[in-house]
Amino acid sequence: GAGVSQSPSNKVTEKGKDVELRCDPISGHTALYWYRQSLGQGLEFLIYFQGNSAPDKSGLPSDRFSAERTGGSVSTLTIQRTQQEDSAVYLCASSFSRVGWTNEKLFFGSGTQLSVL
Amino acid sequence: AQKVTQAQTEISVVEKEDVTLDCVYETRDTTYYLFWYKQPPSGELVFLIRRNSFDEQNEISGRYSWNFQKSTSSFNFTITASQVVDSAVYFCALSEAGSGGYQKVTFGIGTKLQVIP
Repeated sequence: GAGVSQSPSNKVTEKGKDVELRCDPISGHTALYWYRQSLGQGLEFLIYFQGNSAPDKSGLPSDRFSAERTGGSVSTLTIQRTQQEDSAVYLCASSFSRVGWTNEKLFFGSGTQLSVL
Repeated sequence: AQKVTQAQTEISVVEKEDVTLDCVYETRDTTYYLFWYKQPPSGELVFLIRRNSFDEQNEISGRYSWNFQKSTSSFNFTITASQVVDSAVYFCALSEAGSGGYQKVTFGIGTKLQVIP
């Protein structure tokens, strides 16, 4: 597709289960970001990928959160042993940005609404 | 550290009124970029404008205008003659080089604008 694709669009899970969220960026975009959007919290940075490497994982809330990116394309965000406070919209964005570039606009997906019961 | 403050969490205006969304940022860098994004009810964030730290010229695009004042670290967004379609959450963002020179983008909490017909 032409835009950033995220799946699933909605995920309901039980506390303690693991979940995987997928992001398919725009073809050719080297940079990929994960953000979390909670009510009243704005967009919280989670992790950034340049190619398959993650030079900045500083936003991951705990070691239950992990992410990978393969082939410089698709990324998966995994949350293990989900907790109710993990409920939020998880947004993925991509851009052409490379090291030394700071002016690129981000293209966002529609997000995954995660609900932990 | 970088920080973006959007003090107005929610604003309601009547259609055709003008409205200004405030954004104040903090950074120690001399080179940075500022952005505004719009998130309509459908959920996907869309880029509106980008401004670099060396260009303080105001910009107008149709009913939208942006006022960048480096002296007050502000990048405010004005919608003239608001319309119902302007109802959305608007995010201000600061982009600068993270560790290793990648593009680190920090978002404000967002301002929810409701335009009442």
